[in-house]
Amino acid sequence: DAKTTQPPSMDCAEGRAANLPCNHSTISGNEYVYWYRQIHSQGPQYIIHGLKNNETNEMASLIITEDRKSSTLILPHATLRDTAVYYCIVRNNAGNMLTFGGGTRLMVKP
Amino acid sequence: DAGVTQSPTHLIKTRGQHVTLRCSPISGHKSVSWYQQVLGQGPQFIFQYYEKEERGRGNFPDRFSARQFPNYSSELNVNALLLGDSALYLCASSLEAASYEQYFGPGTRLTVT
Repeated sequence: DAKTTQPPSMDCAEGRAANLPCNHSTISGNEYVYWYRQIHSQGPQYIIHGLKNNETNEMASLIITEDRKSSTLILPHATLRDTAVYYCIVRNNAGNMLTFGGGTRLMVKP
Repeated sequence: DAGVTQSPTHLIKTRGQHVTLRCSPISGHKSVSWYQQVLGQGPQFIFQYYEKEERGRGNFPDRFSARQFPNYSSELNVNALLLGDSALYLCASSLEAASYEQYFGPGTRLTVT
């Protein structure tokens, strides 16, 4: 599975949009981009995934560049409960193995 | 609906001992995966089981083993515990062997002294 690069930490003001970047320059054509988050002392939680097109669900939006070498997770109106470590993961769908990197620690501040 | 459950929540063991961790997947989910998360790092994949068969194995020594039962619950066994095995052990379940979404349990915190 391709490696990903994320900033180690980011701050966001409550109520503002949080934009979390991820670089995956070696992504293959059959690999998906997944985002999970881990709130302190809990297991990781699935947020969203995509292949080529932008995706949106009730939690977030995922913007993937046309060349698929990077993506951005957008939390449109961040709340204090969105404070967590956010992991960008690239994998094919041959199995369930997720390769977690260091992630981005997002701190939402009042 | 009950989510993924793991037991015990916390465990303290001594070097050289063995440990068994248990996981019950969400009802109807046939795949269980195990991850180890050392403090300050992201989770590392250990095993995946689907329909009682091993479907994937991460880069862990043979001291780590697992199995899945007919009711799809799973056990992770670690023998000859080392201090470095101290970690949060996470279980994740999904409907199929290759599912888009996996659901993680709260984990078992293992401390080896």
